[in-house]
Amino acid sequence: NAGVTQTPKFRILKIGQSMTLQCTQDMNHNYMYWYRQDPGMGLKLIYYSVGAGITDKGEVPNGYNVSRSTTEDFPLRLELAAPSQTSVYFCASSTGVHYGYTFGSGTRLTVV
Amino acid sequence: AQKVTQAQTEISVVEKEDVTLDCVYETRDTTYYLFWYKQPPSGELVFLIRRNSFDEQNEISGRYSWNFQKSTSSFNFTITASQVVDSAVYFCALSDPANGDKLSFGAGTTVTVRA
Repeated sequence: NAGVTQTPKFRILKIGQSMTLQCTQDMNHNYMYWYRQDPGMGLKLIYYSVGAGITDKGEVPNGYNVSRSTTEDFPLRLELAAPSQTSVYFCASSTGVHYGYTFGSGTRLTVV
Repeated sequence: AQKVTQAQTEISVVEKEDVTLDCVYETRDTTYYLFWYKQPPSGELVFLIRRNSFDEQNEISGRYSWNFQKSTSSFNFTITASQVVDSAVYFCALSDPANGDKLSFGAGTTVTVRA
């Protein structure tokens, strides 16, 4: 049982480049989330989705886009990467928020 | 407004000492859920416990115990006889209807256990 899988695990981007962080889950969870965690800091919600075709902004959505075409996948797109987007990105899924989240192992992104 | 407050930013203890992590939450709802997650130095986020608002029974799991007190809106976490492997960042989180489909996380408490 893979749970929540994030790829890549590490990535270095140059300023202005774009990339997509992949997140897939095999638990048939309707709810999926993207968080970022800056060094030594807590979790900030970027975007979330309560089901295929439905997405909503979190507290720090600027500079990011998401899509949810299937239940399993919730990719996060960075357009025009900036040094401020250097962070660890976590994807999470849930069968319902009252049950808590299952997190992926994270993607460490550095923008130089 | 901060819904989950973890006032302790960092705690450092010597191995075998007990350590208690405070978590104070804010909600107007009568039905809500509380969580603790652990983030070891390897970086992954690991679920530790879930508790609903109707269950005030304290819970013990090995060296871990949780004290839920609705009267003080607190859900504190104690590690007994700490070990170096307990070194991690610990996050408290709240799920309540006012916050919709998202958890509210505290800022985290970094626990360092020295040998």
